[in-house]
Amino acid sequence: NAGVTQTPKFRVLKTGQSMTLLCAQDMNHEYMYWYRQDPGMGLRLIHYSVGEGTTAKGEVPDGYNVSRLKKQNFLLGLESAAPSQTSVYFCASSYTWNTEAFFGQGTRLTVV
Amino acid sequence: EDQVTQSPEALRLQEGESSSLNCSYTVSGLRGLFWYRQDPGKGPEFLFTLYSAGEEKEKERLKATLTKKESFLHITAPKPEDSATYLCASYTDKLIFGTGTRLQVFP
Repeated sequence: NAGVTQTPKFRVLKTGQSMTLLCAQDMNHEYMYWYRQDPGMGLRLIHYSVGEGTTAKGEVPDGYNVSRLKKQNFLLGLESAAPSQTSVYFCASSYTWNTEAFFGQGTRLTVV
Repeated sequence: EDQVTQSPEALRLQEGESSSLNCSYTVSGLRGLFWYRQDPGKGPEFLFTLYSAGEEKEKERLKATLTKKESFLHITAPKPEDSATYLCASYTDKLIFGTGTRLQVFP
């Protein structure tokens, strides 16, 4: 039972490049979340999903897109990376809104 | 705008010195208040969920309480292994986190 797995763990991008972060969970969870964590800012919600085929905007959605085509996967895309998107990205999943959210190990992204 | 504020930002305690962390929230339609622990380089780990004012939950040296405006995480006789960042989060229609309290417990 792997839990929540994020791919990749580290990435360096040049400004303007695009990339996709993959989050996979094997717990049959309905809810999935993408957060970014910056020093002094805490965890900020980017996008979330309450079930397969659904997505919704969080606190800081600009510059990101997401897709939840399969229940176990939640993809976060950066179409044109900017230095302001340098951060640690965490994916999380939960069975429903009030059950424990399990987090992945994080992806450290640097945009130069 | 929904907001979750934690204080203090950082706290240094001597082993055995009890204290409390504060999480104040201004949200509409709170459905649940969560506490998580985060160790350096790792994702947060779930501690508690509180649903209504007056509710309390305990786990080892930790006790979480909830009022209509804030939640407290009480740490009784902490040990060095309790050193971590403690995060609270509110749930209305999404899970919003505060900035956390970085706790250091030294021997």
